[in-house]
Amino acid sequence: AIQLTQSPSSLSASVGDRVTITCRASQGFSSALAWYQHKPGKVPKLLIYDASSLRSGVPSRFSGSGSGTEFTLTINSLQPEDFATYYCQQFSRYPLTFGGGTKVEIK
Amino acid sequence: EVQLLESGGGLVQPGGSLRLSCAASGFTFSNYNMNWVRQAPGRGLEWVSVISKGGDTTYSADSVKGRFTTSRDNSKDTLYLQMNSLRAEDTAVYYCAKDWYCSSVSCYYDFWGQGTLVTVSS
Repeated sequence: AIQLTQSPSSLSASVGDRVTITCRASQGFSSALAWYQHKPGKVPKLLIYDASSLRSGVPSRFSGSGSGTEFTLTINSLQPEDFATYYCQQFSRYPLTFGGGTKVEIK
Repeated sequence: EVQLLESGGGLVQPGGSLRLSCAASGFTFSNYNMNWVRQAPGRGLEWVSVISKGGDTTYSADSVKGRFTTSRDNSKDTLYLQMNSLRAEDTAVYYCAKDWYCSSVSCYYDFWGQGTLVTVSS
């Protein structure tokens, strides 16, 4: 199975900061990667698919990039509602796998 | 409006069995692949399984292979997860999720139920 390693596992940031989360894969693949946002008590929300495509309705401050074994999620100008845990997931081959998550907390 | 409603969770002893259901409404159920995803307490998300639109193809995580079976009844718009030989580490909230969009690269899910809690404990 493809293993995904996210870094950092947690970070503290302030409103207005730019945040970058990295997802590294144990095997390379093209672009079948998604990013999800998950808040406590809520269901996960898809932000990015195909590594860099923004899901409709998601604010443009979220962006994704990468291919092969390294992918990134960037949040420009962090907003109060962005404090959550973020997960990458690969859709390249079964079994599908998630990264371990990155918790974004308020500094 | 798309709605997914899981049921069947509860407390079960190690080695026991449980069947989860996910009742779908608001869309043509038979047109979409369906997934199960779980989250153990204090842990991250873990994809569990997927079943194709017609129910003829399934894939599952290595951690549940041979113990969990995913099926669907398109006449009842319902997805199932039969869980056997349950272990403490299967304790989690189980979500069903519907495919949202298929690009040229892959199909991605996004519509989720609210989840049902399964607790495996003696």
